[in-house]
Amino acid sequence: AQSVTQPDIHITVSEGASLELRCNYSYGATPYLFWYVQSPGQGLQLLLKYFSGDTLVQGIKGFEAEFKRSQSSFNLRKPSVQWSDAAEYFCAVGAWTGANNLFFGTGTRLTVIP
Amino acid sequence: NAGVTQTPKFRVLKTGQSMTLLCAQDMNHEYMYWYRQDPGMGLRLIHYSVGEGTTAKGEVPDGYNVSRLKKQNFLLGLESAAPSQTSVYFCASSEGKYQPQHFGDGTRLSIL
Repeated sequence: AQSVTQPDIHITVSEGASLELRCNYSYGATPYLFWYVQSPGQGLQLLLKYFSGDTLVQGIKGFEAEFKRSQSSFNLRKPSVQWSDAAEYFCAVGAWTGANNLFFGTGTRLTVIP
Repeated sequence: NAGVTQTPKFRVLKTGQSMTLLCAQDMNHEYMYWYRQDPGMGLRLIHYSVGEGTTAKGEVPDGYNVSRLKKQNFLLGLESAAPSQTSVYFCASSEGKYQPQHFGDGTRLSIL
């Protein structure tokens, strides 16, 4: 079965600093992957997705993620964090065959300080 | 453009009471999902549906039932609420299995 690990529960960065949120997955074949963001009191919003092809994908709000098959990772990055990026971020993995659902990581809460 | 709408937004129940959470989507999506979100555990899938009249169990289905009588609606029922079901419940929908899921704003449910 698939599983997703987000090893960082909470990250604090300064406004303007770069950001990398880690996501590792466990799956026997190449999965498809998503990053979602959740602001307090709201549902999840899609940031970006990877299905196949170019391993560096661009998303909304200036975010990007890189799929590395050899490391089973799909880390989220942003070169310059804004105060409005403070939220919780979830990585999710899906299987091309078998299960119909996504598996979500436990999330990383991002705090941005001035 | 409403997207995915969940009702109610908040509810407090006593142990043993029953209730139904409603999810409605206006995007003509085939797939719909119910998740629960608990601190430190991310989102866990309760039940899902791949089309009108179909339902399937997810990761944590015990104590819940669902129905998808109409394509746009997906109902989650708690027959006899327990304190362990205190959580935030999210509904989501997608065009298909491989498509991104669109989420509602959640229902915060407390069971005393």
